Parts: sequence; structure tokens; C-alpha cells
Amino acid sequence: GAGVSQTPSNKVTEKGKYVELRCDPISGHTALYWYRQSLGQGPEFLIYFQGTGAADDSGLPNDRFFAVRPEGSVSTLKIQRTERGDSAVYLCASSLSTSGGRRTQYFGPGTRLLVL
Amino acid sequence: GDSVTQMEGPVTLSEEAFLTINCTYTATGYPSLFWYVQYPGEGLQLLLKATKADDKGSNKGFEATYRKETTSFHLEKGSVQVSDSAVYFCALSDPQGAQKLVFGQGTRLTINP
Repeated sequence: GAGVSQTPSNKVTEKGKYVELRCDPISGHTALYWYRQSLGQGPEFLIYFQGTGAADDSGLPNDRFFAVRPEGSVSTLKIQRTERGDSAVYLCASSLSTSGGRRTQYFGPGTRLLVL
Repeated sequence: GDSVTQMEGPVTLSEEAFLTINCTYTATGYPSLFWYVQYPGEGLQLLLKATKADDKGSNKGFEATYRKETTSFHLEKGSVQVSDSAVYFCALSDPQGAQKLVFGQGTRLTINP
């Protein structure tokens, strides 16, 4: 079956611009997660949705970052006034639920963001 | 806060060698532990997991045992193949609290024929 998909796969933008990154989770998965992976590092948590609501946004680095999941499926990560330090691979993951064995997170291929 | 420390890479081995990648963790509760693998050009994939002390996770010839006394979850494989070349990430999550995964920095493994 289809896995987690993310678009675009690559995004190049200029400092100060606004970008949107999209994530399509596995069908039927209620939980959705965003992570950021800098070069040579492990992924770092940004935000987690259970259904339509953000259950934990403690990893968002500042108020330039925002994410939505209006219908409980597709999610968009929005970055305002991009900075060069925002350059990274942005990973999305989904899980069937948040209990027991259904907590396993399945990752998309990521969006590589480069801010010039 | 919770954290994961992996042995630094890169690690280079010959085919059929024995592999160990060390992973230790710090957590306030009783976390679930995971190994994820990232093959060249692909996304993160779950390799194996263990949810309680003394559990052994295994998959594709890889094994890791949840050792609470040493707060470790070392990854092992008895005979590696060229196709095992990838970046390996150790991670934890708190089953009672936040749902997020906390990752180590990753270990790049290269297997030479």
C-alpha cells in the first residue's frame, strides 16, 4: 500500500520567503508527526497531531513555524521569513494510533529545504 | 530530558564481519526503544523495537536487547552484507507521555565486499 508521501521533495528558497511543506500520511493513520533533520544529525521532533489538533508542538523552534491538519489527514508545515538556519530535511511520519503496537511511526522520504 | 547517545561513525567493515553499534539512553520513565535505518536515497525505516526490559527485537538478522540495568540497546548482526550499508539511528519514546521519538545522531555503516 501507499506509504507516507511528502511534497515537494526539494525546495530552494531565498532568505525571508515563505514556504509550505506538505505531508500525506498513510490512509487511516490518526497520528501525524513532523521532524527536522540537519546534516549529520538525527531527526528532531517538531510537532505532533492527533486527528486535527496539535497535541504537542513543543519542538517548534519559534513562532515562524506553524503546522495545520484541518481535516485530520494531510498536514502542511509552514515556515515564515525563512532563515539560512532553517535549511534541513523535514520529515513527516504517521502512526495508526498512539497506543500499544499501533504507535509505530512510518516515515516519508522527506523534503529537503535549502534557504539561500 | 530524555536523550540517546550512539557510537560515533563512520563504521567500515568487510562483508561477513560481526557488527555492533552501541546505543545508550537517558530517560525518566520506561521508554520503548527502536532502531531505524536509512538506506541511501530512501526514507527512515523501522528496523526493530523493544518495549520492555529484557525484550529482544530482531529483524533481517539484526538483534538488539533492551538492557535496563545498563540503559543500553546495542545493535548486533553476526554477518553483515554489502546491502546493510546505511545510516542507523537509535531512538526512544515514552509510552506514557509524549509520543515523539528522540533520536541519536546516527551511525553511518559501510560494508566493503
